[in-house]
Amino acid sequence: SQELEQSPQSLIVQEGKNLTINCTSSKTLYGLYWYKQKYGEGLIFLMMLQKGGEEKSHEKITAKLDEKKQQSSLHITASQPSHAGIYLCGADVFGSGNTGKLIFGQGTTLQVKP
Amino acid sequence: GAVVSQHPSRVICKSGTSVKIECRSLDFQATTMFWYRQFPKQSLMLMATSNEGSKATYEQGVEKDKFLINHASLTLSTLTVTSAHPEDSSFYICSAGGQGVSTDTQYFGPGTRLTVL
Repeated sequence: SQELEQSPQSLIVQEGKNLTINCTSSKTLYGLYWYKQKYGEGLIFLMMLQKGGEEKSHEKITAKLDEKKQQSSLHITASQPSHAGIYLCGADVFGSGNTGKLIFGQGTTLQVKP
Repeated sequence: GAVVSQHPSRVICKSGTSVKIECRSLDFQATTMFWYRQFPKQSLMLMATSNEGSKATYEQGVEKDKFLINHASLTLSTLTVTSAHPEDSSFYICSAGGQGVSTDTQYFGPGTRLTVL
């Protein structure tokens, strides 16, 4: 079974609608990273969360990490076609001493219809 | 901010040949680099951890003789796919880390698309 579960796997929304992507771990998340990827291209860093209950926002994207540090959500407000792409959550589940190794969720493919 | 480059960005080769992919940290020293593989419409799977000056650590199921990793300096790690076959066709991405490197961002290269004919 996947250590990091991401849902939904795909999402089609109408432009202007809000959406949420979830990332759930069976282990403690010592660091949780959200990325956006266009197919066949590199990763675009969005946000990183470390503390339980932490919330960060950038433009219309908000990411949260729950108090138990096992679940994170990415919320997009008033979606635009430019938000389309693949969203990946990456997690440090190794803790102290980890020098950057991450495991990844399966990804969520987002389409935004004009 | 820190930048990680990869070369080449795309490579097409014949079955049976070997292909080398370079991952460079451009403005910082990365004692550790990580190699990931991504198949179409799938997530990133960690292949191995590359440590400067020592042997790489491979994840379960990854053939170390097939995917040779060399981390000869603090700014360069190479992944060589030996005797490549069509099933090795994939998108390979590296990331740089290590002691003293901020983990706030995680520095990923732009990826290399390998197509084996």
